[in-house]
Amino acid sequence: IAGITQAPTSQILAAGRRMTLRCTQDMRHNAMYWYRQDLGLGLRLIHYSNTAGTTGKGEVPDGYSVSRANTDDFPLTLASAVPSQTSVYFCASSGGTGGHEQFFGPGTRLTVL
Amino acid sequence: GQNIDQPTEMTATEGAIVQINCTYQTSGFNGLFWYQQHAGEAPTFLSYNVLDGLEEKGRFSSFLSRSKGYSYLLLKELQMKDSASYLCAVRDSNYQLIWGAGTKLIIKP
Repeated sequence: IAGITQAPTSQILAAGRRMTLRCTQDMRHNAMYWYRQDLGLGLRLIHYSNTAGTTGKGEVPDGYSVSRANTDDFPLTLASAVPSQTSVYFCASSGGTGGHEQFFGPGTRLTVL
Repeated sequence: GQNIDQPTEMTATEGAIVQINCTYQTSGFNGLFWYQQHAGEAPTFLSYNVLDGLEEKGRFSSFLSRSKGYSYLLLKELQMKDSASYLCAVRDSNYQLIWGAGTKLIIKP
């Protein structure tokens, strides 16, 4: 693979179910991010990780959790999905905090019914 | 609070020039980014400004005035493929990106 991948591409989920969105990058980037994008709103940061083994909360972390066991993978888990979590989810990575742009995965379109 | 403002939608003609403005109020400033996002796709990086002035990259240029909290993206010789949303983002004092809602640019023949 080259770049950053996400799975699944799309998912319809019943409310109350647990769901993990996967994200993998092969660019050896230290920093990784999870955003949600909703119509009329800017990208909102859910969680981030500046380096393997560390994570932090973004603007909208409630209802979501992440882990960063290694450099390449950064899964996002919805412990008990609710309809307000219906959104497009983007994973991104960057080579560092100083002057480095973020590269985005193709996104996961999640619908919670 | 932190705020990024950009117009919701703009229309321009193929071959023309368009300027997309972005104003920001953030806790700290560590650079401003412009991204392009085609419908149904991921954002892709266009430009980065950290010092005042104009950065030119082919048909696209980006300008920054830190004292005014203002940036613009200038697109020249518009092509139909430039129809997309353009996202302005500011990196704040925590080195996190704060994103505007994006400007949808419609190009007409």
